[in-house]
Amino acid sequence: ETGVTQTPRHLVMGMTNKKSLKCEQHLGHNAMYWYKQSAKKPLELMFVYNFKEQTENNSVPSRFSPECPNSSHLFLHLHTLQPEDSALYLCASSQDGTSGSYNEQFFGPGTRLTVL
Amino acid sequence: GENVEQHPSTLSVQEGDSAVIKCTYSDSASNYFPWYKQELGKGPQLIIDIRSNVGEKKDQRIAVTLNKTAKHFSLHITETQPEDSAVYFCAATSNSGYSTLTFGKGTMLLVSP
Repeated sequence: ETGVTQTPRHLVMGMTNKKSLKCEQHLGHNAMYWYKQSAKKPLELMFVYNFKEQTENNSVPSRFSPECPNSSHLFLHLHTLQPEDSALYLCASSQDGTSGSYNEQFFGPGTRLTVL
Repeated sequence: GENVEQHPSTLSVQEGDSAVIKCTYSDSASNYFPWYKQELGKGPQLIIDIRSNVGEKKDQRIAVTLNKTAKHFSLHITETQPEDSAVYFCAATSNSGYSTLTFGKGTMLLVSP
């Protein structure tokens, strides 16, 4: 596997379910990101991890819980979601996300989430 | 914080024509402007970027221009081909704090044969 992979690619869940999205990067990067992509809206940054430490939480509701066990893996745990949470969830990685430099972000293909 | 506006939301052209997508940004501290292409079923992919110390950058059929005074930047695609059909996103960021991107809403480009 190369690049950034995400599983599952599609997920349908009820509002009372608990599920997790998984992201893995094979690029040796140190920063990982979760974005939400809704129709006709800009990509919304949700969380940023640098060297396994969370460095940004963009006012995301607590029903979304990220986990970064190491620099290669990122999870998004979901519980008691709402229908308006239905969207494409994209994971990205970059060399690092530290101040004073900008590194290209590489995106995975996304998980299409539908909340019933 | 930064706000990025992108126009048009949809652009239809004939194969061989040129396409131009425009973005404006609000934060004068922004100094890096990437453009991403997202094909159906895939994540966004960087196609070209520009930093604030240059006014134009070209890569084959793709070019980006930046006007720092007016705070706008544009993507130009010449000799469009059907495989250019995709959604294009502009973004902006500054080097202050962590390198988080602010994206525009995207432009769906349709190139007809």
